[in-house]
Amino acid sequence: RKEVEQDPGPFNVPEGATVAFNCTYSNSASQSFFWYRQDCRKEPKLLMSVYSSGNEDGRFTAQLNRASQYISLLIRDSKLSDSATYLCVVNRSGYALNFGKGTSLLVTP
Amino acid sequence: GAGVSQSPSNKVTEKGKDVELRCDPISGHTALYWYRQSLGQGLEFLIYFQGNSAPDKSGLPSDRFSAERTGGSVSTLTIQRTQQEDSAVYLCASSQGQLPRETQYFGPGTRLLVL
Repeated sequence: RKEVEQDPGPFNVPEGATVAFNCTYSNSASQSFFWYRQDCRKEPKLLMSVYSSGNEDGRFTAQLNRASQYISLLIRDSKLSDSATYLCVVNRSGYALNFGKGTSLLVTP
Repeated sequence: GAGVSQSPSNKVTEKGKDVELRCDPISGHTALYWYRQSLGQGLEFLIYFQGNSAPDKSGLPSDRFSAERTGGSVSTLTIQRTQQEDSAVYLCASSQGQLPRETQYFGPGTRLLVL
């Protein structure tokens, strides 16, 4: 079983839609959780960290459920510029990161 | 300020040749990581350097892979006797510290194609 699993998508949504991505992780000892964004042929960039209490950054909301080992990302009022691959990331051995394969999002006019 | 830089941006080589990939981390960042991303795959951790500590090499896929970090700054990833399955994007990242919550900043990557 992969350490971090995501639905690869693609998710095709119209502008203004709300879309949610889910991710599960296998290592119950994991301590830190992130969502990274990767544009086509570009490097990953940190979108937001994920905390147990849930956190919000503008149109983006991230949630962590430790009991279920489940992480989510909600994007409200989708923009064309949100089109990218979203990577679920879990810390590994305290520093290096375990990346999911990513979920592809395409926002259409 | 300057981000993480990597060179070359693209490398085409023949099977069996050795290649060297270079990473310049963000100035002042003590932690440096190498990952690779194969087509359709997630990022795979390769090696981690933190200050002057011994590197964590647990992610290196074979003994053909090695990496050095000189003077706590620039790092070189070397792949000896390249194989076609080594074709991937090799990404370097750096962070200020070693805490799990420290943001890792990625370079643009080196796209390696082994013919």
